[in-house]
Amino acid sequence: DIVMTQSPDSLAVSLGERATINCKSSQNLLYSSNNKNYLAWYQQKPGQPPRLLIYWASTRESGVPDRFSGSGSGTDFTLTISSLQAEDVAVYYCQQSYSSMYTFGQGTKLEIK
Amino acid sequence: QVQLEESGGGVVQPGRSLRLSCAASGFTFSGYAMHWVRQGPGKGLEWLAVISYNGSHQYYTDSVKGRFIISRDNSRNTLYLHMHSLRPEDTGVYYCARRTAAAVNGGLLYWGQGTLVTVSS
Repeated sequence: DIVMTQSPDSLAVSLGERATINCKSSQNLLYSSNNKNYLAWYQQKPGQPPRLLIYWASTRESGVPDRFSGSGSGTDFTLTISSLQAEDVAVYYCQQSYSSMYTFGQGTKLEIK
Repeated sequence: QVQLEESGGGVVQPGRSLRLSCAASGFTFSGYAMHWVRQGPGKGLEWLAVISYNGSHQYYTDSVKGRFIISRDNSRNTLYLHMHSLRPEDTGVYYCARRTAAAVNGGLLYWGQGTLVTVSS
């Protein structure tokens, strides 16, 4: 199975500052036939199901604020929140869909400093 | 609009079985693969299983392989998860989910609210 490892496990950032979460895959997630990285990012708030933020590593889902961006290719990926807002406090997960057996990272808890 | 509603959760003793259902509406159910994802209390997300649009293929994570069976009834727009030999570590909220229509392998956009399974004697 493809193992997804996120860093850090938790992060405290001041309002208006940049937050960066990293995700590393044990295998390449770049699908050569279409040059897409099969990597998604989710946000989950307490008591709610996850919300899809980014797919194909860098494509923002409709309705997601543009302060959220994704980057990376192959095995190393990053989710960046350019200017942290109070409503961004949540746990963030990366997930690969390169394999038929999807896997999630362990999650990164984002808090306000 | 797309709606997914899980049901069937509850308290069950270790070693027993339980069947979860996920009722789908607002889209052509038979056109999409469907997934089960769970979350243990205070823990992260764990992908469990996927079934192809027509039910011909299923894939499982190792922790449930041989104990859980994913199935679907396209005539009833319903997804199932048959859980056997349940263990305390199977306790958690179980979600059904569907990918975004915009992109194959583009992530799970639609989620139900989840159903809680508690495995305890």
